Amino acid sequence: EVQLVQSGAEVKKPGESLKISCKGSGYTFTSYWIGWVRQVPGKGLEWMGIIYPGDSDTRYSPTFRGQVTLSADKSITTAFLQWNNLKASDTARYYCARLALGTVRRWFDSWGQGTLVTVSS
Amino acid sequence: EIVLTQSPGTLSLSPGERATLSCRASQTVTSNYLAWYQQKPGQAPRLLIYGASSRATGIPDRFSGSGSGTDFTLTITRLAPEDFAVYYCQQYGSPVYTFGQGTKLEIK
Repeated sequence: EVQLVQSGAEVKKPGESLKISCKGSGYTFTSYWIGWVRQVPGKGLEWMGIIYPGDSDTRYSPTFRGQVTLSADKSITTAFLQWNNLKASDTARYYCARLALGTVRRWFDSWGQGTLVTVSS
Repeated sequence: EIVLTQSPGTLSLSPGERATLSCRASQTVTSNYLAWYQQKPGQAPRLLIYGASSRATGIPDRFSGSGSGTDFTLTITRLAPEDFAVYYCQQYGSPVYTFGQGTKLEIK
């Protein structure tokens, strides 16, 4: 069974750093792109970017490029989403999701449970 | 960046009725690379449809997708109580994948 298990909720202050994780299991982690999606409370879904754990090829939405960093560690089948300077506007639930097998032009076929990040002074 | 506009914003129907949800793109979606997801409160989205019209594994056949180019539709025949949720379309045909703003399907 494919599973994406995300790290737990975080409460941070503006200006702090944060790295959340998404552990994949039940499939060949290095063969599938992993994406990240932001959902501000009560709002819709926003595509942030994707990473291919096989070679760490990364694509970012222009909205999020320079604001976050995607990475992956093949040895522990885990993808990461990182901030170096959190803002209150980063408060949201963040989902990781796996792209279906094939080229990069694929849909999200499995989702993590989401990680709620709260940034408040 | 392709902008997806979903309509209506909210759709109020009764169980057993037919739901028709629209997703319009600001430019042609390459190869009909469009997906639909369902999201219930407190849950992650779930894939329903990919490639505009292919049902994902385990999705009931009352869900169907259609359309091409810039206009796409998700149809749910005979609404079941568990179908009331928010639905999102997403295109993955351009380098920046984008989601629509969602349609909330609520019980009338």
